[in-house]
Amino acid sequence: NAGVTQTPKFRILKIGQSMTLQCAQDMNHNYMYWYRQDPGMGLKLIYYSVGAGITDKGEVPNGYNVSRSTTEDFPLRLELAAPSQTSVYFCASRITGGAGELFFGEGSRLTVL
Amino acid sequence: AQRVTQPEKLLSVFKGAPVELKCNYSYSGSPELFWYVQYSRQRLQLLLRHISRESIKGFTADLNKGETSFHLKKPFAQEEDSAMYYCALHGATDSWGKFQFGAGTQVVVTP
Repeated sequence: NAGVTQTPKFRILKIGQSMTLQCAQDMNHNYMYWYRQDPGMGLKLIYYSVGAGITDKGEVPNGYNVSRSTTEDFPLRLELAAPSQTSVYFCASRITGGAGELFFGEGSRLTVL
Repeated sequence: AQRVTQPEKLLSVFKGAPVELKCNYSYSGSPELFWYVQYSRQRLQLLLRHISRESIKGFTADLNKGETSFHLKKPFAQEEDSAMYYCALHGATDSWGKFQFGAGTQVVVTP
């Protein structure tokens, strides 16, 4: 099993550009999450999904969009990139129900110049 | 609102010395607490959870509801314990499965 796979690992964007961070999991997990990790700030939840077709905002959703057309995939779209979106992005998933373990991807480091 | 506080950004300890990472939380219901660890160049992974009451890699953590704390302890630190540690809270009544993470504590174990 690959677990949670994120692409790309690194990306540099210019202000105003758009891009999609891909996340896929092969564990048949219903719950999926996108976090951003800023130095000294810990992980902040951007968006999450409890199943295909169901998504909701987390703490810091502005400037991002998500979709969940399948159980496996949960892409994160950045529209009109801004320097404030420079961060490390983590996708995570967990099995439905209870406080099950979160499984994380390796992270995607995004720099907006 | 739920909140997780890790007051130390950096802990530097000598090999063989005890290490304690503090975690305090605020949550009105029954929380479920976790410690996640991120070693250099590795992904975040679960270290332990309070409901398991287990010791992982020599680490233990006790949930103290009176003090709303979930401190992580190890009696003898090893160099391989150098990592970033995150305390996380899951609200038992939160059916959407959201986790709240602390800001993290960087642990550096020097020989």
